[in-house]
Amino acid sequence: QKEVEQNSGPLSVPEGAIASLNCTYSDRGSQSFFWYRQYSGKSPELIMFIYSNGDKEDGRFTAQLNKASQYVSLLIRDSQPSDSATYLCAAFSYGNKLVFGAGTILRVKS
Amino acid sequence: GAVVSQHPSRVICKSGTSVKIECRSLDFQATTMFWYRQFPKQSLMLMATSNEGSKATYEQGVEKDKFLINHASLTLSTLTVTSAHPEDSSFYICSARGGMAADEQFFGPGTRLTVL
Repeated sequence: QKEVEQNSGPLSVPEGAIASLNCTYSDRGSQSFFWYRQYSGKSPELIMFIYSNGDKEDGRFTAQLNKASQYVSLLIRDSQPSDSATYLCAAFSYGNKLVFGAGTILRVKS
Repeated sequence: GAVVSQHPSRVICKSGTSVKIECRSLDFQATTMFWYRQFPKQSLMLMATSNEGSKATYEQGVEKDKFLINHASLTLSTLTVTSAHPEDSSFYICSARGGMAADEQFFGPGTRLTVL
């Protein structure tokens, strides 16, 4: 069983819509979770991180964490074509290492 | 956010040669640096973790004699791919952790290695 799982997609949404990206993790000991965006041929860039149950908002992005369900999500409001990328979910796992999911491809159509 | 640089950004080499990749934290002291490898359409795979002044910890399946990691200072780590072969062709990315944001990892821009 993979430690961090994501649907590979692609997830297609029209411009201006809300994109919802989901992630589950297996290590109940994980305390912090990160969302990265990666454009083709580039390295990941941090979008936001979340430690506590509930929602965390930053501009058009909202991260949601439910530790009981071992579930993390990222909502992107007012999606733009420039948001088209691969979104990587990561969890701090045993040994203080970031464990990445395989990523979800998001396509925003104008 | 903190800035991490990598050099070179792209390298092409012949099979059997060694290639060194540098990773630098430009505006903070990186207590820990990580080296990842990413093959096309796959996620990042952690190769090793290095702490300044100590030996790197390699992930299972990663040959420490082939991928030499040196973390000589709080701002510099190097990865040397020794006797590179075509199957080592990949996107190598470093990241660094430290400074004020103790849990965040900042990624370098990556190095595209092509072994002919």
